[in-house]
Amino acid sequence: DTEVTQTPKHLVMGMTNKKSLKCEQHMGHRAMYWYKQKAKKPPELMFVYSYEKLSINESVPSRFSPECPNSSLLNLHLHALQPEDSALYLCASSQEGRNIQYFGAGTRLSVL
Amino acid sequence: AQSVTQLGSHVSVSEGALVLLRCNYSSSVPPYLFWYVQYPNQGLQLLLKYTTGATLVKGINGFEAEFKKSETSFHLTKPSAHMSDAAEYFCAVSDRRGSNYKLTFGKGTLLTVNP
Repeated sequence: DTEVTQTPKHLVMGMTNKKSLKCEQHMGHRAMYWYKQKAKKPPELMFVYSYEKLSINESVPSRFSPECPNSSLLNLHLHALQPEDSALYLCASSQEGRNIQYFGAGTRLSVL
Repeated sequence: AQSVTQLGSHVSVSEGALVLLRCNYSSSVPPYLFWYVQYPNQGLQLLLKYTTGATLVKGINGFEAEFKKSETSFHLTKPSAHMSDAAEYFCAVSDRRGSNYKLTFGKGTLLTVNP
């Protein structure tokens, strides 16, 4: 089973709202990733968690706040987003120290 | 830093024709290379990967890719296109960052298959 589950599938929020994206995997992977994908563009890495600790932050604005409560779960908390933050947010996971990443279906976010 | 360049943002083929999607890489060390496919409104699915060893890599759905060091290429092929192959295809290179790996994607190639 190589399933990464993301919820919700779609999210519409105003610029003053606070919302969260959720990602879950039960493959025993200890590395989890958040990517942002704008329309007709490739995914761009935002954050990497390794053993529930933040390992890589690609200079992402503080209005995006990641959290890894346990080895199976990864959240992305959103606050005071801008319309240009509208995108597909993809979660991925991999075995620690391995370079094959498995992706979820994504959350399509619209910021009004 | 490692990078990949996909030649052609859009490739159109007829059903049953050969599919060839081009990818060139830039790396100072032996690269780890991947092809992912993204169907409309979906996430990314791994098609195949090259790490070390055999230079001809077979993947899912009848796709394969050949690693050519002399040409710094990793082109994706399929002998006979199906309508279901219509999707966006991304070539990617993996770069080690500490104990983890960062994927850097090419700009993508949209494949359309005509009946």
